[in-house]
Amino acid sequence: GQNIDQPTEMTATEGAIVQINCTYQTSGFNGLFWYQQHAGEAPTFLSYNVLDGLEEKGRFSSFLSRSKGYSYLLLKELQMKDSASYLCAVLDSNYQLIWGAGTKLIIKP
Amino acid sequence: GAVVSQHPSRVICKSGTSVKIECRSLDFQATTMFWYRQFPKQSLMLMATSNEGSKATYEQGVEKDKFLINHASLTLSTLTVTSAHPEDSSFYICSARDLQGDTEAFFGQGTRLTVV
Repeated sequence: GQNIDQPTEMTATEGAIVQINCTYQTSGFNGLFWYQQHAGEAPTFLSYNVLDGLEEKGRFSSFLSRSKGYSYLLLKELQMKDSASYLCAVLDSNYQLIWGAGTKLIIKP
Repeated sequence: GAVVSQHPSRVICKSGTSVKIECRSLDFQATTMFWYRQFPKQSLMLMATSNEGSKATYEQGVEKDKFLINHASLTLSTLTVTSAHPEDSSFYICSARDLQGDTEAFFGQGTRLTVV
């Protein structure tokens, strides 16, 4: 079966750094996405990785290791507005998006 | 990024009535549109995949006669929840991919359906 695992909830302090991990087992791999979703809103795109390595985009970075079936999303200089759920999703061999359950990130002052 | 417009954003309907949700790709042509449902504090659950001009493919456990999907053009897909019941109350989200094979999925704003 296809499976994506990420922690259910994490807590971090404003101004700090947090790393949200995602491991996956899917039938094929055509890329991994990270989305941010605030409560009651649709997800918004953060990043897409298809090659191994680190992609940096401002305060957010995403890392992928295909051999390990592993990715992480790194958030730096945390702000209160970063409190949200972060969804990991993998594009499988049929180009279907397989979603993780999401990680709820709580930022404390 | 590309824009996907979903309408309405919120709807309250009486039990037994039908509700139509529209999903439009505003600045690109979408061969494939996806309909998701999300219950509180849960992940997105794919309901069905629709391809322009053909019948939608429904995920296991999703009643195709209850959730009618029409993808009549490359810019519009509709989801109709027929004979709605309170348990159908949920957040419904559409997403679309463009013809160019861009793998990023663009999401609509979502529709909060409440059946009373």
